[in-house]
Amino acid sequence: QKEVEQNSGPLSVPEGAIASLNCTYSDRGSQSFFWYRQYSGKSPELIMSIYSNGDKEDGRFTAQLNKASQYVSLLIRDSQPSDSATYLCAVVPPRGNEKLTFGTGTRLTIIP
Amino acid sequence: DTEVTQTPKHLVMGMTNKKSLKCEQHMGHRAMYWYKQKAKKPPELMFVYSYEKLSINESVPSRFSPECPNSSLLNLHLHALQPEDSALYLCASSQDPAALNEKLFFGSGTQLSVL
Repeated sequence: QKEVEQNSGPLSVPEGAIASLNCTYSDRGSQSFFWYRQYSGKSPELIMSIYSNGDKEDGRFTAQLNKASQYVSLLIRDSQPSDSATYLCAVVPPRGNEKLTFGTGTRLTIIP
Repeated sequence: DTEVTQTPKHLVMGMTNKKSLKCEQHMGHRAMYWYKQKAKKPPELMFVYSYEKLSINESVPSRFSPECPNSSLLNLHLHALQPEDSALYLCASSQDPAALNEKLFFGSGTQLSVL
């Protein structure tokens, strides 16, 4: 089982709709969870971090964490064409293992 | 200044060449990282420096040699690379080495091609 799993997509969403991106992780003791956005040919950019169960909202973005079910998700409301990118889920494992683990990313396309 | 600056942006080198990638940040971050990213793959960690000391080497071949001259600078020296080393090389930094891997700020990367 991969440590961090994401559906590679592509995920196509109409402009103005809600895009829902999901990520599951295998290490139950994982501490911190991040979503990075990466445009083609560019570097990853941190857009959300979440540390405790529940929802965290920042503008059009909402991160959701459920540690019991070991999943983290990202919702993008009112999707815009500029949201078209690859979204990488990243998980910090329990203490003692310092390696941040990235998922393979989900490619999101917003259709005008 | 919230930027991580990498140079050069593009690099083409032969297998016998020696070149260096440079990275600079002025955010006062004390952890700095090198990642390698192949097309359509996630970034792979290569090295981590904490307080200017090498703290993680992910079993990277010795043809890659990192250097951290001071808290703002990170270099990656390249020698005798192979074509399969062609990739996007990303530098990143984070504020607190005690919370390694927290909130990475990435540079724009160096696209490396080895001929």
